[in-house]
Amino acid sequence: GESVGLHLPTLSVQEGDNSIINCAYSNSASDYFIWYKQESGKGPQFIIDIRSNMDKRQGQRVTVLLNKTVKHLSLQIAATQPGDSAVYFCAEPKGLNQGGKLIFGQGTELSVKP
Amino acid sequence: GAVVSQHPSRVICKSGTSVKIECRSLDFQATTMFWYRQFPKQSLMLMATSNEGSKATYEQGVEKDKFLINHASLTLSTLTVTSAHPEDSSFYICSARPGAWRGGYGYTFGSGTRLTVV
Repeated sequence: GESVGLHLPTLSVQEGDNSIINCAYSNSASDYFIWYKQESGKGPQFIIDIRSNMDKRQGQRVTVLLNKTVKHLSLQIAATQPGDSAVYFCAEPKGLNQGGKLIFGQGTELSVKP
Repeated sequence: GAVVSQHPSRVICKSGTSVKIECRSLDFQATTMFWYRQFPKQSLMLMATSNEGSKATYEQGVEKDKFLINHASLTLSTLTVTSAHPEDSSFYICSARPGAWRGGYGYTFGSGTRLTVV
């Protein structure tokens, strides 16, 4: 859901380690989620998405897990690199009758130490 | 891939003046455009949704007379912050989506505009 006004939590990892970024949602009817990466001073970039009929989806170095029972999804980044340092958001598009507007979650700031 | 150009990237204006931000889809027709505001260390907050040729739909709490949105063509939307005040200082980001549903990959974001009102 929306998280206006909340400051971003931070995650600091060592280069080469795996990173896990979490996101909770409130609507059990939600059926599609997207992860975005936002570098400092830029707009968000699409990373990966997942539908509710899946519990796992893999991309290049990234995996998204969806647990519908507890309404939680996570983004796992393998072998984290300095270039992965950014803010990561989960987002959910609303219905097309609402223009498919994207609502962003709280976000997590990932800092990768060399 | 799809590209959205947003200008200016930074703008400083005096309190009480108006500022216009442009968002252009360069290689696709943006049926729907979205405008977000982002304060430091916070998430993106949706301000409004606009469809080409229609009035924008504003989110609750967003003043439509203060944040004027125009989506006159399939490649251009503008956000005008009228009578800007220091509390309007923020990072404004546009996003564009084509008519055909392409999932998350279909949303393309501009690079944002840093507005500072002095």
